[in-house]
Amino acid sequence: SQQGEEDPQALSIQEGENATMNCSYKTSINNLQWYRQNSGRGLVHLILIRSNEREKHSGRLRVTLDTSKKSSSLLITASRAADTASYFCATEAGGTSYGKLTFGQGTILTVHP
Amino acid sequence: GAVVSQHPSRVICKSGTSVKIECRSLDFQATTMFWYRQFPKQSLMLMATSNEGSKATYEQGVEKDKFLINHASLTLSTLTVTSAHPEDSSFYICSARAPGQGFQPQHFGDGTRLSIL
Repeated sequence: SQQGEEDPQALSIQEGENATMNCSYKTSINNLQWYRQNSGRGLVHLILIRSNEREKHSGRLRVTLDTSKKSSSLLITASRAADTASYFCATEAGGTSYGKLTFGQGTILTVHP
Repeated sequence: GAVVSQHPSRVICKSGTSVKIECRSLDFQATTMFWYRQFPKQSLMLMATSNEGSKATYEQGVEKDKFLINHASLTLSTLTVTSAHPEDSSFYICSARAPGQGFQPQHFGDGTRLSIL
């Protein structure tokens, strides 16, 4: 399966600033998910947005989805040093591919205190 | 919440050794688990889908004889890297989806860092 693309590849900001990461994908999807990965660790699920949804919020996270452009964005507001991690988008198709995730290349976020 | 445990977290061994990695769903039953591989500073690539009671489904380009998968129970899947070589060194991560209505997220183990000398 083809990998999606994320930009930027790396993002460095100060605490309190907002961080925006973008993700593009290539095939039809059932849903799109965002995950966080601390260095050398597994992934933590952040938020899931279905293909028929356009925007979703969870705490300081805001996710948008534009299926016509095959793109999504993750906004982290009022960032904290503890938000420093790699962030991945992952798409899930339906049918026989249900459960299989295709990950983007990821964005390394560094939040300076 | 749903938890997936992966063991061991790190393995360092000599070339030619076979290494077994376990993935357990601790508080839910998972008929399907997934195995991913991640190279340094890269994304996760799906290797195979582990199916309880039946053969695993491998992604294109993944050698099934190299990466043996066994899903003998509803809470345990194992990945065995047979006759490992330095190029097999990588971070291996498993995931499982907890049952429930609607869309459920995948729950990931903490990964196994495999280093072949």
